[in-house]
Amino acid sequence: RKEVEQDPGPFNVPEGATVAFNCTYSNSASQSFFWYRQDCRKEPKLLMSVYSSGNEDGRFTAQLNRASQYISLLIRDSKLSDSATYLCVVNGEDSSYKLIFGSGTRLLVRP
Amino acid sequence: DVKVTQSSRYLVKRTGEKVFLECVQDMDHENMFWYRQDPGLGLRLIYFSYDVKMKEKGDIPEGYSVSREKKERFSLILESASTNQTSMYLCASSPGTGVYQPQHFGDGTRLSIL
Repeated sequence: RKEVEQDPGPFNVPEGATVAFNCTYSNSASQSFFWYRQDCRKEPKLLMSVYSSGNEDGRFTAQLNRASQYISLLIRDSKLSDSATYLCVVNGEDSSYKLIFGSGTRLLVRP
Repeated sequence: DVKVTQSSRYLVKRTGEKVFLECVQDMDHENMFWYRQDPGLGLRLIYFSYDVKMKEKGDIPEGYSVSREKKERFSLILESASTNQTSMYLCASSPGTGVYQPQHFGDGTRLSIL
């Protein structure tokens, strides 16, 4: 079983739609969770951290379910510029600073 | 803002050459990492370093070595380049230990081995 699993997509949605991605992780002792965004042929960039109580940043909402070991990202009112690959990231089993990256979920927002 | 700078965006080398990829960060971060990213395989950790002169193998260290002589600089070395090392190489850095230490990436180096 992969340490971090994501649906590769692509999710193809119209502008203005709400879209949600889920990610599952295998290490129940993980303590740090993030969503990164990666544009085509560019480096991954931190989108947001994911906290136990859930957190929101503008149109983006992240949630953590420790009991079921999954993380979600909700994007409201999708923009064309949201088209990218979204990487789910969890800290590694053997350290807090080593991160495990999912393979990513591709989002395409169409006009 | 954290700045992680990789020495080259694009690099073309020949099989058997020794290749050096350089990475510099300006935020006094303790940890530095080298990944490669290939289509369908995601990010794979090659080596990382949590202090000057310290290094640890990641998931795919074979064919690579690293050097960290100064805190701000982490070099990846391909000892004898082979065509299966053609890839996108990404350097990252993060602060010390503790929870919620995100990694910050450089622009990446697209390396082609002919």
